[in-house]
Amino acid sequence: RKEVEQDPGPFNVPEGATVAFNCTYSNSASQSFFWYRQDCRKEPKLLMSVYSSGNEDGRFTAQLNRASQYISLLIRDSKLSDSATYLCVANRGGGYNKLIFGAGTRLAVHP
Amino acid sequence: GAGVSQSPRYKVAKRGQDVALRCDPISGHVSLFWYQQALGQGPEFLTYFQNEAQLDKSGLPSDRFFAERPEGSVSTLKIQRTQQEDSAVYLCASSLAASGPQHFGDGTRLSIL
Repeated sequence: RKEVEQDPGPFNVPEGATVAFNCTYSNSASQSFFWYRQDCRKEPKLLMSVYSSGNEDGRFTAQLNRASQYISLLIRDSKLSDSATYLCVANRGGGYNKLIFGAGTRLAVHP
Repeated sequence: GAGVSQSPRYKVAKRGQDVALRCDPISGHVSLFWYQQALGQGPEFLTYFQNEAQLDKSGLPSDRFFAERPEGSVSTLKIQRTQQEDSAVYLCASSLAASGPQHFGDGTRLSIL
């Protein structure tokens, strides 16, 4: 079993839709969490950090539930440009950011 | 540019050959990471440097993989006697501090025939 698990998708949604991605992690010692975005044949880019209190950045909302070891990402009012793979990431920590990536969830937004 | 630079962008090698992949981190970044990303998977941690010291190499798949950063700047990932399962994108990332956000390079796409 992978340390960070995600539904691979793809999620095919129309423009303007709201879409939610879920992720679970198995290492309870993980210290912090992130969502990264990766476009086809490009490098991963940090989308946002994830906090227990929940955090919002424009149309994006991330949430962490430490008790359930569950992370979510909500995208509202989807745009064509949101089409990408979304990677759920746990930081195992230990003095530096040892990032453990999920396999990613593919999102395709269509007109 | 000011980002992480990796070369070559693409590398094709025959099984059994040795390859060397280069990473130029952002100037002044102390921490450097290598990741391996197989098709359809997320990046997997290979190794971590703080300056010239390799503090974690727990993710290297076998003793055929070797990484160095002799002057605490440029890093090289070497794979000896390549196998087909080594085909992947190799990503390098750097950060200003050990716990800072990581900036990724474009990666080297390695294909072993």
